[in-house]
Amino acid sequence: DAGVTQSPTHLIKTRGQQVTLRCSPKSGHDTVSWYQQALGQGPQFIFQYYEEEERQRGNFPDRFSGHQFPNYSSELNVNALLLGDSALYLCASTEGGRNTGELFFGEGSRLTVL
Amino acid sequence: AQSVTQLDSQVPVFEEAPVELRCNYSSSVSVYLFWYVQYPNQGLQLLLKYLSGSTLVKGINGFEAEFNKSQTSFHLRKPSVHISDTAEYFCAVTRTDSWGKLQFGAGTQVVVTP
Repeated sequence: DAGVTQSPTHLIKTRGQQVTLRCSPKSGHDTVSWYQQALGQGPQFIFQYYEEEERQRGNFPDRFSGHQFPNYSSELNVNALLLGDSALYLCASTEGGRNTGELFFGEGSRLTVL
Repeated sequence: AQSVTQLDSQVPVFEEAPVELRCNYSSSVSVYLFWYVQYPNQGLQLLLKYLSGSTLVKGINGFEAEFNKSQTSFHLRKPSVHISDTAEYFCAVTRTDSWGKLQFGAGTQVVVTP
């Protein structure tokens, strides 16, 4: 049973560019959440997708957007990259109908903005 | 809104000694509580969770935590650590009506030495 998979694992961009990160949830999961983890800090909630719609959003600007596909996979897009967007981006999945709050995390995509 | 405070940023400990990681939270509504572990260059793995019932929760790898509602704490303990327990540990909280929106603490780095 494959867990949460993310791609790419590492990438380097320059300021002002745009980036797309991808996530496939754990089998049987239909809800995907994205987190940003800056170096030395805990993960910060970006947003959550369920039934192809953004259901919850954290305190992130509109430069951060996402999408969920019918197969439950998801993308995170960040436009007009800033140096401060350098971080590990974590995807997590859960079953939307089971409110245990438990998340299963992928290994993340490490973004470096130069 | 909820918040989580991990009282120690780093905890050095000798192999086979006990360890306690402290976590306090604040919330005006009912919450679920979690401890996650992050090994270097990896995603987060769930150690244990408190949803309801017994306040003493046992998790994987010999870890346990105790939920104290009056002190709003959820401290993590292990009676005897191994070198392999060297990692970053995160306490997290979520509202019981929130699916996947976790609020994380800043993390506690545990360094186990022989």
